Amino acid sequence: EAGVAQSPRYKIIEKRQSVAFWCNPISGHATLYWYQQILGQGPKLLIQFQNNGVVDDSQLPKDRFSAERLKGVDSTLKIQPAKLEDSAVYLCASSLDREYEQYFGPGTRLTVT
Amino acid sequence: GQNIDQPTEMTATEGAIVQINCTYQTSGFNGLFWYQQHAGEAPTFLSYNVLDGLEEKGRFSSFLSRSKGYSYLLLKELQMKDSASYLCAVRDPLGSGGYNKLIFGAGTRLAVHP
Repeated sequence: EAGVAQSPRYKIIEKRQSVAFWCNPISGHATLYWYQQILGQGPKLLIQFQNNGVVDDSQLPKDRFSAERLKGVDSTLKIQPAKLEDSAVYLCASSLDREYEQYFGPGTRLTVT
Repeated sequence: GQNIDQPTEMTATEGAIVQINCTYQTSGFNGLFWYQQHAGEAPTFLSYNVLDGLEEKGRFSSFLSRSKGYSYLLLKELQMKDSASYLCAVRDPLGSGGYNKLIFGAGTRLAVHP
């Protein structure tokens, strides 16, 4: 079974620039999550989708972050404009449904200079 | 508030046993997860406890006491490849919108040496 795919793996941008991350969950998984993991900390949930609907975006900085999950499969997370404090690993995870174990992708390491 | 505490770092010797503790205070509780995360890699699932007691899976065991807000992960017969961060996460059913939400601790970095 293929795992969660993410791209790019690494990205370096200057502050105030824009960036987008892509995630392809495990086939058939209804629930998709985006996490932010700052160095030395645990992952923090940014947004959770159930199929193509948002069920929790309470910790998403909506003035600069946006995410979508068209057709309930792939998802993109965008930051516009980026700040220095956005430097982190962005992890995508998926689960069969919201009650089940989450499987994580390899993450995208973002450096904002 | 939500609070999950784990030791920041631990060291142990190859072949030994190590116990990583986790204490939590969350608004709700619907299970506790342990994940392993090697440097630069994604977290991978190790164990899940929702009832009190010990769950054993090979060299790894996890214990939960809901009344004490406490869990531990026990690693036996340590190998060099066990050097990684171990993340404790609580599923809170009282998250936004009423959906289960994983709240992670900062992780415990374990170094296994010969």
